Amino acid sequence: GAVVSQHPSRVICKSGTSVKIECRSLDFQATTMFWYRQFPKQSLMLMATSNEGSKATYEQGVEKDKFLINHASLTLSTLTVTSAHPEDSSFYICSEKGAGTEAFFGQGTRLTVV
Amino acid sequence: GNSVTQMEGPVTLSEEAFLTINCTYTATGYPSLFWYVQYPGEGLQLLLKATKADDKGSNKGFEATYRKETTSFHLEKGSVQVSDSAVYFCALTLYSSASKIIFGSGTRLSIRP
Repeated sequence: GAVVSQHPSRVICKSGTSVKIECRSLDFQATTMFWYRQFPKQSLMLMATSNEGSKATYEQGVEKDKFLINHASLTLSTLTVTSAHPEDSSFYICSEKGAGTEAFFGQGTRLTVV
Repeated sequence: GNSVTQMEGPVTLSEEAFLTINCTYTATGYPSLFWYVQYPGEGLQLLLKATKADDKGSNKGFEATYRKETTSFHLEKGSVQVSDSAVYFCALTLYSSASKIIFGSGTRLSIRP
């Protein structure tokens, strides 16, 4: 069964609104979660590393005020796209790693900003 | 730094053809290597992995061998099926729950009936 549950799978929002994406760890407690963004027909771009109980670490070029990450518990990390614009439309995927090296991915969220 | 270079697609094959998707890597330390598959509109699924040199990962008829001497992890399948049509990502990570995964650019595979 699924190890990581991501919700919602699809969301359409109006420009200027905020959207929250949730990523839940189902099988174990994840101290670290990763958030990726994928443009059509492209690879995954790491946006940030989410650490439980502390501030997220953002990759270069990713606006931390635009993409708010909260990891308040060991089983839940959220990504909020604030004041969304059409250029934020993308596929967002969360991931966690177990004690070793294998990563488990959420189902992804297709965000469309109109 | 760490990186993954993957054969560019798209790749189009006929059903039952032999498949090879090339992947080479650059890494400090001793990475684990992975192939992930992404079906249309879905997230990523682990296809196979290898955690040390000369290990062979295999799953669903796909195989890849961790070659340290050539820093490669090529994906192969002897006889592809239409259902194998998807995007395939080669990836690496270091042994730590906090180490990020580095992905190749992805290869889109289409299989003709």
